[in-house]
Amino acid sequence: AQRVTQPEKLLSVFKGAPVELKCNYSYSGSPELFWYVQYSRQRLQLLLRHISRESIKGFTADLNKGETSFHLKKPFAQEEDSAMYYCALQGGSEKLVFGKGTKLTVNP
Amino acid sequence: ETGVTQSPTHLIKTRGQQVTLRCSSQSGHNTVSWYQQALGQGPQFIFQYYREEENGRGNFPPRFSGLQFPNYSSELNVNALELDDSALYLCASSLGRGQNTGELFFGEGSRLTVL
Repeated sequence: AQRVTQPEKLLSVFKGAPVELKCNYSYSGSPELFWYVQYSRQRLQLLLRHISRESIKGFTADLNKGETSFHLKKPFAQEEDSAMYYCALQGGSEKLVFGKGTKLTVNP
Repeated sequence: ETGVTQSPTHLIKTRGQQVTLRCSSQSGHNTVSWYQQALGQGPQFIFQYYREEENGRGNFPPRFSGLQFPNYSSELNVNALELDDSALYLCASSLGRGQNTGELFFGEGSRLTVL
């Protein structure tokens, strides 16, 4: 079974503070992991994927197969990072399995 | 480049009725996926269409059916509506098999309320 767990429903930090959004997954094979983001009044969009190993808007995420985690990190949060973040897994088929999401609020 | 468009944006139905939701995929995309997003939940995969054929289905009953047309637009049909079908229905298009898989381009969704 494929499962994605985002343990925090809500996360609140101050501007300039580091932020980490947690994501754990369950999959017996070799998964592809993604982070999707939904800003206020915008549609859901891809933020980053683990295979590209790039930093987008200052965010990075490392796939840790031993811990089955794919946490999203940013060293200095900005107010414009406030959004809903979804971790997603693709394993062996075309579908994406999404977590329930974490609402990040960055306070001034 | 035209993005993914969905219609209608909102609709209200009563239990037992049928509903059809429509989606136009992004230009150049031949694959359409449908997701159901209940309040406070992440999107749940309903099914995917690739070049007019179903290419995977999630854990949804047969009363959820779909169609993809030659221009790659798509419909989601739900028969015998139940209260639990109330949700945001998201359509997403992508380049398809073996090409940039995993990157979905989402529409704004159709919010269905079943009374």
